[in-house]
Order: sequence, then structure tokens, then C-alpha cells
Amino acid sequence: GQNIDQPTEMTATEGAIVQINCTYQTSGFNGLFWYQQHAGEAPTFLSYNVLDGLEEKGRFSSFLSRSKGYSYLLLKELQMKDSASYLCAVHYAGNMLTFGGGTRLMVKP
Amino acid sequence: EAQVTQNPRYLITVTGKKLTVTCSQNMNHEYMSWYRQDPGLGLRQIYYSMNVEVTDKGDVPEGYKVSRKEKRNFPLILESPSPNQTSLYFCASGGSGEETQYFGPGTRLLVL
Repeated sequence: GQNIDQPTEMTATEGAIVQINCTYQTSGFNGLFWYQQHAGEAPTFLSYNVLDGLEEKGRFSSFLSRSKGYSYLLLKELQMKDSASYLCAVHYAGNMLTFGGGTRLMVKP
Repeated sequence: EAQVTQNPRYLITVTGKKLTVTCSQNMNHEYMSWYRQDPGLGLRQIYYSMNVEVTDKGDVPEGYKVSRKEKRNFPLILESPSPNQTSLYFCASGGSGEETQYFGPGTRLLVL
């Protein structure tokens, strides 16, 4: 199957750290994407993990464990503008993407 | 400026009236794709194209058609729209094997 699960909503405080999890039930994929999507706008690329481990990119980091069927996006030093939906997507051969339902993050002052 | 464009951005139509949503990219990407996004269901792939004249079904192709006659364009066709096709539609493009897919701004469709 291709079930991809994310929490529906999360709330965090400005300046804090938040971890958004993504679990999947699939194998034989190329990698895993994380996208950010503000309300009413197009998704924008955040990260792409091919190998197991942590990839750090400024305030955002993404982790993948293929053996555990698990990924997470870590956002540090949260800012109000980080309030958005975060989408994980499994990337298959042929450039096919299957998305999770997305996690809506609300950052409060 | 590298971009994916979609037209129209907003469309209200009636059941059964054929419509086309255009998608164009200026990055010479081989891969293009259409998604629909619905509350609680996330982004679901409708059709994708690996290159000119090569198209394939995604997860939810019923009621849609596509064509890829040129590399830069990938129109989405609804031959006989129905209210359950009311949704937010995104076109995306990416190079072959490239990590990033670029999304267009979205087309909000309402079928009455």
C-alpha cells in the first residue's frame, strides 16, 4: 500500500522547535520530499531525502529512515511566517509523487 | 524567470460544459503532472507525462484527459465536468531525475 500519514494539525510557539512526522507503508521508492504550502498558494520545495539520516538546511532539517518507514521535518527558531501546511510526499521512479494529507502548523506568539 | 503558469486561475462552470485548463513551463522540463487538492484528502495526482506524446494515469484519472503535443504545454481537459470535480488544481513540472518539482499557482474550479 501507499498509506502516508501525517498529523492533521500542530500548534507551536514562536522561537520554539517543532517536529512534524510522516509515516508511510511503501517500499522501492526513490526518496521523500517535504513541501511547504501557505493557504491558497502553491506548494514550495523544502527538502528531499534519498539516504537515511538527517539533512540540514538552515532552520529546517529533514530525516529519513527507510527501515522504519518514517520521516520527519524539524523546524527550529519558529517564526510566525512558518504558519503553513507541510506536505510529505514519496517519490517513485518515473517522477511520480504520492502525497500525505499534510500537517497544518499554527505558530503562536 | 523560471515558472509554471496556469490559466485560468479561477473558473465557474456548469455540469457537462467541456473545459480546458492550460499549463505551461519555461524550464524545458521533460516531466509534467496534474494534481487536485481537496480538504482532508491532500494532493492527488491525476495524470503525468514523462515527455512529449508520453502520458500516464495517476491516482485519480477518471473524468480527465490530458495531452502533451509540445514539451512546454500540458493541458488538462474535462470533457463533461461534474460537481465532484470542484477542486483546486495544480500543474507541476520537473526535469528527468531532478529532485524538485515546481508547482504552478493553482486553478480553483467550481462546477455547478
